[in-house]
Amino acid sequence: IAGITQAPTSQILAAGRRMTLRCTQDMRHNAMYWYRQDLGLGLRLIHYSNTAGTTGKGEVPDGYSVSRANTDDFPLTLASAVPSQTSVYFCASRRQGDNSPLHFGNGTRLTVT
Amino acid sequence: GQNIDQPTEMTATEGAIVQINCTYQTSGFNGLFWYQQHAGEAPTFLSYNVLDGLEEKGRFSSFLSRSKGYSYLLLKELQMKDSASYLCAVMDSNYQLIWGAGTKLIIKP
Repeated sequence: IAGITQAPTSQILAAGRRMTLRCTQDMRHNAMYWYRQDLGLGLRLIHYSNTAGTTGKGEVPDGYSVSRANTDDFPLTLASAVPSQTSVYFCASRRQGDNSPLHFGNGTRLTVT
Repeated sequence: GQNIDQPTEMTATEGAIVQINCTYQTSGFNGLFWYQQHAGEAPTFLSYNVLDGLEEKGRFSSFLSRSKGYSYLLLKELQMKDSASYLCAVMDSNYQLIWGAGTKLIIKP
């Protein structure tokens, strides 16, 4: 693994189903983030984690949950998917506490039907 | 509230120079980032400014004026591969990034 790995790459999901998007990084970054990107709206922060064991809500957290059991993994769960959650989801990480840039995974394209 | 403004779309000619502007209003300031994002791909880091002035990195330069809440990304000797979206992001007082919606740059031959 080099950098940030997201899985799956894409997914079509029926409304009402539960889905977990996976994110793993091998850079030992303490901070991790989940964004969604929709046309014309830019990147919007869903949830973040400044260090293992802690999480926080971003701009658009409703309908999503996260956990941070260890430094490397930061899964995002949709408990009951709705069509408005159709989007491209990016996981990102960085060294928290200074001005280091974000590193992004390749994204998960999710379609909720 | 916090706000980042950039033009939605710009068009330029191969070989020319283009300037993409970004204005911001945020709670605190810990630096401004520019990212490049090709269609269907993840954003990649281009530049970081925390002090006023111009930072040059090859064909790309980024300028910051903190007093004006203003930055620009300057791309010289444009190539077709520079066709992408360019995202401006400001790090606020809590070290969280506030993102602009991005500027889609179209390069014509």
